[in-house]
Amino acid sequence: AQSVTQLDSQVPVFEEAPVELRCNYSSSVSVYLFWYVQYPNQGLQLLLKYLSGSTLVKGINGFEAEFNKSQTSFHLRKPSVHISDTAEYFCAVRNSGAGSYQLTFGKGTKLSVIP
Amino acid sequence: EAQVTQNPRYLITVTGKKLTVTCSQNMNHEYMSWYRQDPGLGLRQIYYSMNVEVTDKGDVPEGYKVSRKEKRNFPLILESPSPNQTSLYFCASSPLGTASEKLFFGSGTQLSVL
Repeated sequence: AQSVTQLDSQVPVFEEAPVELRCNYSSSVSVYLFWYVQYPNQGLQLLLKYLSGSTLVKGINGFEAEFNKSQTSFHLRKPSVHISDTAEYFCAVRNSGAGSYQLTFGKGTKLSVIP
Repeated sequence: EAQVTQNPRYLITVTGKKLTVTCSQNMNHEYMSWYRQDPGLGLRQIYYSMNVEVTDKGDVPEGYKVSRKEKRNFPLILESPSPNQTSLYFCASSPLGTASEKLFFGSGTQLSVL
């Protein structure tokens, strides 16, 4: 079975400061990793994903994440946040095996950008 | 416009009264899934479907049923709702194939069971 731990439930950060949202996963097999964002009163939308290849993945809105297999982590970063980045962010994992489509989400991290 | 449509947006019901939340997608996606979102618990998968007539349990399937008789529709059925099923529910769909893997989410259904 797979699991995801998002280490911070809430992260306040000043506008234009850098931010890192932490995600660790557990799985006995190879995985695919995702970050989704949920703006208030909306469904989730994909920020970025790691399937294979380069461990540094770039996504929308200036976000990037780095897959670290040895530390089983997939932390999300942005060098300079904007007010509009205020949202809840979810890390998700699924096994990469064929026919395995059960997607497990973390509990979420609420990012609050302070003017 | 490509979208996942859930109905209703809000639903208040009483314990034991059967209800169905509909989900429809117009993108010809093979994969569809239901999640519930609860404060502090994130999203938990209820059921998913990889194609017509192919469904499987997620992490929290108890008390729910689904069916996939048509590719575009994936209704969530609560035969006898209970207060612990009060939650925000999301339907999502995705094409199969890792290169295109990306979940498209509906706007959510806020369910209250009294």
